[in-house]
Amino acid sequence: NAGVTQTPKFQVLKTGQSMTLQCAQDMNHEYMSWYRQDPGMGLRLIHYSVGAGITDQGEVPNGYNVSRSTTEDFPLRLLSAAPSQTSVYFCASRGMNTEAFFGQGTRLTVV
Amino acid sequence: TQLLEQSPQFLSIQEGENLTVYCNSSSVFSSLQWYRQEPGEGPVLLVTVVTGGEVKKLKRLTFQFGDARKDSSLHITAAQTGDTGLYLCAGDTSGTYKYIFGTGTRLKVLA
Repeated sequence: NAGVTQTPKFQVLKTGQSMTLQCAQDMNHEYMSWYRQDPGMGLRLIHYSVGAGITDQGEVPNGYNVSRSTTEDFPLRLLSAAPSQTSVYFCASRGMNTEAFFGQGTRLTVV
Repeated sequence: TQLLEQSPQFLSIQEGENLTVYCNSSSVFSSLQWYRQEPGEGPVLLVTVVTGGEVKKLKRLTFQFGDARKDSSLHITAAQTGDTGLYLCAGDTSGTYKYIFGTGTRLKVLA
């Protein structure tokens, strides 16, 4: 029972590089979200999706893109990484009446 | 903009003491959740409250949702070292499962 799987666990990027953080869930959940966690800030919502083909912006969407072509996958793309995007990123999924399940996070450093 | 403010931000207490953590907002929430997060892991759901004035108990943890559904509290009785962690509240303002997280309370229980 994998739950929510995030890859990679750690990543170092140079400023201006692009990359995709992967998130996959095997619980057939409709709702998926991406958060970033910075010291003293709790978790801030970047983007979320209420189903395949539907995405919307959260609190801090600038610099990030998402897509939801399947129910299972919700990748987060950084088109041109900046040092301000250094953070720990969490993906979460939930069903209609279920709790949210979080991945183990991706620790990203942009130098 | 952080919709949910938690207090205190940090708390260090001795084992056996009682404590209360607060989660406050000017917004009305259709539901509110409390999570605990261990280092290097994603948040794990403790409880969901949906009705104004609702009180839920989970062993030594008591959760209360404010009558106006704008605030919540978490009370821990006789804290144990295993309670150490980051406690996060999260609210859904629109009923769409777009959960916004609070700033977090980092609790350390000393033996």
